[in-house]
Formats: sequence, structure tokens, C-alpha cells
Amino acid sequence: GQQLNQSPQSMFIQEGEDVSMNCTSSSIFNTWLWYKQDPGEGPVLLIALYKAGELTSNGRLTAQFGITRKDSFLNISASIPSDVGIYFCAGPNSGGSNYKLTFGKGTLLTVNP
Amino acid sequence: NAGVMQNPRHLVRRRGQEARLRCSPMKGHSHVYWYRQLPEEGLKFMVYLQKENIIDESGMPKERFSAEFPKEGPSILRIQQVVRGDSAAYFCASSTIGTDTQYFGPGTRLTVL
Repeated sequence: GQQLNQSPQSMFIQEGEDVSMNCTSSSIFNTWLWYKQDPGEGPVLLIALYKAGELTSNGRLTAQFGITRKDSFLNISASIPSDVGIYFCAGPNSGGSNYKLTFGKGTLLTVNP
Repeated sequence: NAGVMQNPRHLVRRRGQEARLRCSPMKGHSHVYWYRQLPEEGLKFMVYLQKENIIDESGMPKERFSAEFPKEGPSILRIQQVVRGDSAAYFCASSTIGTDTQYFGPGTRLTVL
């Protein structure tokens, strides 16, 4: 089946620093989704990307849909302590079942105040 | 708060018992999805339901697991004769149509002793 590889697995940064994480796949995705999961909670949708090359921002977050359709990245600028959590990339399976999301294993972000 | 509701948030069962997990979708949503998350893993699709219909259960184990979404009331994920390997977080998501834009609930953490 389709797989999403996220890197890095974890990051430890100081408050105020910028963060970049990415997601790659061996197969093409037509949609890229970025979620954040806080401890003990469900994933919350941050950004959805629907077009190759698309660059979308949501506050301090910016995400891009790679031209090859096989990768995406998420940047967080001027990090703050509440950015702590696990960031997942996800995308719907190909072949018509666009509701069946595949998730990466996540990037764990720790922000030191 | 009209978000996706799940209960219980935590559930402890002994091996061989039954587990029932409930999900109430967001208001106006008639499509429900269940995902399972093992420790330090991403979410894995289990089943997609509409009211009174199972649309896709390709991610559900063939035995002991079942799901329903009745005309009235919440969606139920039922696990019979639980085993230790069933310990995981189970998330429900909902949407207005069968789509990748899914909104997740806070999850039910199942622990099997």
C-alpha cells in the first residue's frame, strides 16, 4: 500500500526558532494534508493542499505541495511553546477511495521556552 | 461545541471482554470514519460508514471487529473478545461527504489488561 515517510522523527528547538519538516512518498498523492496532534487528543487539520506547486499559509504555518506530487513540507516560523505536539502528513489513497487517508508516522516537536 | 464527540475517552478491559466505542459526528455530517493509532505510529484507516451503511471496511480485522452507524444515535465500533494487541487509540472522524477533509474526535484510549 501507499506509505508516507516523515522526517525528522523528532525535533528539539528553542522558542522563536523556525522549523521545517517534510513528507515524502514513493507514489503520487493528489492531496496533501497536515495535522497536529496534542497529547491525549485527536489530530487537528492545519493545512490542506490540493494542487501541485501550491503554497498555502495558516498564520505562522506554511505548507507546500511538491511539484512531483510525491512530497510536501511544513514550515513553522517563530515557534512558541504551544507548537509542541506531533505533526502528521496525510493524504487520500489513489484509486478512487479519496476518503481513505494514509498517515505518516509523525514528527514530534518539542519547543524549549 | 459541535465537534466530533467520542466516548468513553479511556476504556480498560480484561482479555476476552467486549469493548464498545461510541462516536457522534459533527452536526450536519453523515459520513463517519474509524482509525486506529498504535503507540508512536500514524493513524490507520479501519472503516467508512454512512447512515445504516458500511461503505468500506477494508481496514478492519476480519474477526472480532464490527462497526455500525444506525439511523438514530452514534456510530459504534465494537471489539469482541479483546486481546492485548487491541490496546490502541481509536479515532473517529466525520465529514459532510465522502472526502479527505475529515474532522477528528479526541479518541478513545483502549487498554487491555
